[in-house]
Amino acid sequence: DSGVTQTPKHLITATGQRVTLRCSPRSGDLSVYWYQQSLDQGLQFLIHYYNGEERAKGNILERFSAQQFPDLHSELNLSSLELGDSALYFCASSSRQGADSPLHFGNGTRLTVT
Amino acid sequence: AQSVSQHNHHVILSEAASLELGCNYSYGGTVNLFWYVQYPGQHLQLLLKYFSGDPLVKGIKGFEAEFIKSKFSFNLRKPSVQWSDTAEYFCAVNASYGGATNKLIFGTGTLLAVQP
Repeated sequence: DSGVTQTPKHLITATGQRVTLRCSPRSGDLSVYWYQQSLDQGLQFLIHYYNGEERAKGNILERFSAQQFPDLHSELNLSSLELGDSALYFCASSSRQGADSPLHFGNGTRLTVT
Repeated sequence: AQSVSQHNHHVILSEAASLELGCNYSYGGTVNLFWYVQYPGQHLQLLLKYFSGDPLVKGIKGFEAEFIKSKFSFNLRKPSVQWSDTAEYFCAVNASYGGATNKLIFGTGTLLAVQP
């Protein structure tokens, strides 16, 4: 167990809908990262938050947004869902923001868009 | 743009065979390199990392990797694999300037199946 909790584990929804994925980092970790894993794109970095502030952004679609709350949990919001958004979404946390701070991954949320 | 290539997509070995998984990255500056493993149904776990110093890095479970700067490579090795090494292996690089983030660029992964 990595200590990173992601909910829900599975999500099935229809095209055009909006969903929210939740991540609780390890106790004391200030950084949260979001990744998308799909068959055609592999593991893609989406966004990084540190102590509530956005630190880095990857190829995150405008339909997607994220935030980190004062209690350090994070949410990834996906809207106007398309079939191609079906993927495994991972959250990872680390104690600091730099490269010397290892990432600890959650088990992911599997999103299926029908 | 930075990228990571893993040339072996699917590898099948017998127990006790030696393993080498290739990883090449494209970035001319200072990089931090990682290998992660994902066992079936589990989360990604860090196997080993390279920041600086000795280019031969030892990780958990008997794995090691060698950083060859001139070849932009960071290959993963294990002298004798076990059935329990069956998993997907990901090479990753952090090439963020200034070190303000540990965003990782991952390779596409190598699925290793070890036959007993």
